[in-house]
Amino acid sequence: DAGITQSPRHKVTETGTPVTLRCHQTENHRYMYWYRQDPGHGLRLIHYSYGVKDTDKGEVSDGYSVSRSKTEDFLLTLESATSSQTSVYFCATQSPSSYEQYFGPGTRLTVT
Amino acid sequence: ELKVEQNPLFLSMQEGKNYTIYCNYSTTSDRLYWYRQDPGKSLESLFVLLSNGAVKQEGRLMASLDTKARLSTLHITAAVHDLSATYFCAVALVYGGATNKLIFGTGTLLAVQP
Repeated sequence: DAGITQSPRHKVTETGTPVTLRCHQTENHRYMYWYRQDPGHGLRLIHYSYGVKDTDKGEVSDGYSVSRSKTEDFLLTLESATSSQTSVYFCATQSPSSYEQYFGPGTRLTVT
Repeated sequence: ELKVEQNPLFLSMQEGKNYTIYCNYSTTSDRLYWYRQDPGKSLESLFVLLSNGAVKQEGRLMASLDTKARLSTLHITAAVHDLSATYFCAVALVYGGATNKLIFGTGTLLAVQP
């Protein structure tokens, strides 16, 4: 457990609206990741961060942006939500010593 | 494109039996992760394997990594009902020595029957 919280835990939104998900960690880990989980696809990396203001794209980054203005917070924004972005979103942080990635509790997002 | 394949996708086994889950991947990597996920929950880290030949054990679970064969195994010994869950392997694409972009398999749903 790396002291990761995600908010909100559940959200229903309408197509075309912007949505921001927040990941907060208390371990001061440098590396943070956003994944989405869909049936039949396992988890897929959306974006990741390797430091404050340092971010990069993952496998499925289209339609998503991220920001990291301080070590403890990593925000994921859906610029204009679509039904294909209905998913469970997980944030993860990485231990600098063991390379373990610890996952937050997840956010279930439904786009109607 | 890195592909990670797990098999079987579904495993029903009896308590007390042994079985192995296989994780094959398609490109070079020497970092392999195993996770457990209970229904509706987050992922729990089980093992991180960081080199060829690495073997780790925790309770009834043992994981190994053969980077030359691009294969990892998760062996279950004398299964108990509490081990019922979905198990994922994930292979790391490593950047700059520390950024680990994980590519996940689709998971193995394990059901241990009494």
